[in-house]
Amino acid sequence: ETGVTQTPRHLVMGMTNKKSLKCEQHLGHNAMYWYKQSAKKPLELMFVYSLEERVENNSVPSRFSPECPNSSHLFLHLHTLQPEDSALYLCASSQDSSGGSEKLFFGSGTQLSVL
Amino acid sequence: AQKITQTQPGMFVQEKEAVTLDCTYDTSDPSYGLFWYKQPSSGEMIFLIYQGSYDQQNATEGRYSLNFQKARKSANLVISASQLGDSAMYFCAMGSNNAGNMLTFGGGTRLMVKP
Repeated sequence: ETGVTQTPRHLVMGMTNKKSLKCEQHLGHNAMYWYKQSAKKPLELMFVYSLEERVENNSVPSRFSPECPNSSHLFLHLHTLQPEDSALYLCASSQDSSGGSEKLFFGSGTQLSVL
Repeated sequence: AQKITQTQPGMFVQEKEAVTLDCTYDTSDPSYGLFWYKQPSSGEMIFLIYQGSYDQQNATEGRYSLNFQKARKSANLVISASQLGDSAMYFCAMGSNNAGNMLTFGGGTRLMVKP
């Protein structure tokens, strides 16, 4: 248990559906992240939030919409996804988002399948 | 730009033996950090060990040690006395002060421990 909880663990959705992924951290951290892990590809950073403000958007398509209402919660809203968006979506948090020595704490991920 | 390379897609090791997982990196930043994460089949990324670029000694954490060779830009993970529970994917990652905490991950190595 790393203190980062993601729901749901598994999600199957059609291309016309709208769904949301939820992440909650109980560590008192100031930064939260969304990563995408596709088969046979390195983890890709999608979004970074620091103190509830987005600090990084790594050229992610607009069909992915993040929301960070407070420093403990992070959402990823999904709409009109494509089959190639099927992947494991990992949420992470860290004490801060600056510097190169901050350890990330990850959740168990949401395995998303888009039909 | 930062780059992490893990050249071993899969490795076998006999239980109780030591194993080395390779990681090379490329960066122009003078200050950076190197991380190793373990990802079991449950999906969660578990932090194992961290090495700062200015650290004089190789990092150690229990059965994990990091063989840091700065001139060769390598940061290999050594696991001693392998256990069946060590079977997982292992990811090398890099962060730098110039990149904030936007970790760059390698493609991973799947380690399988044989009884």
